[in-house]
Amino acid sequence: DAGITQSPRHKVTETGTPVTLRCHQTENHRYMYWYRQDPGHGLRLIHYSYGVKDTDKGEVSDGYSVSRSKTEDFLLTLESATSSQTSVYFCAISESPGTEAFFGQGTRLTVV
Amino acid sequence: LAKTTQPISMDSYEGQEVNITCSHNNIATNDYITWYQQFPSQGPRFIIQGYKTKVTNEVASLFIPADRKSSTLSLPRVSLSDTAVYYCLVGAARDSSYKLIFGSGTRLLVRP
Repeated sequence: DAGITQSPRHKVTETGTPVTLRCHQTENHRYMYWYRQDPGHGLRLIHYSYGVKDTDKGEVSDGYSVSRSKTEDFLLTLESATSSQTSVYFCAISESPGTEAFFGQGTRLTVV
Repeated sequence: LAKTTQPISMDSYEGQEVNITCSHNNIATNDYITWYQQFPSQGPRFIIQGYKTKVTNEVASLFIPADRKSSTLSLPRVSLSDTAVYYCLVGAARDSSYKLIFGSGTRLLVRP
């Protein structure tokens, strides 16, 4: 399996608090992605990165920010968590767009 | 970015061949077609990728007609463990503007 680790795996937080999810890779892949997946739905791209300090918005970026200060780490921050951000969050990596992407195990976030 | 359309769901029985078709009428010359599989509570997993004609690996076959406006993922002799969501993605492998966007996918249910 590709070396990609998400942390934490589970988190419960209160509305209005900031939350940061971490994606760590050991593959030295240039591209990293954050998705959310709600029950019974497909994945929706939040943000992605195409290099250190190079990021761009995805389909559902409102309420989320990201940072990538080094190749191996891509952080997703919910500045002020809301109940609508309760979801499963997946991180993915790829060498380049369109090549095989590898996904992490997911982080289940609950905002109460 | 080429839009894709696939059936929302499909049912099959163990041992049957399953064909899932994806429409991508506005596919561009440099676009590749990629399929992913997702089991419950897991991130998607790459199955197969192709550009034209037919591609086969140990898991599936991908058929792409000459006009490339559609593609068919073929799963031979499915088993219960093939029950999953299957996603069709279209994009240029080396295009930096290619966002790895997943649609809603096709939910395949394999029955005994």
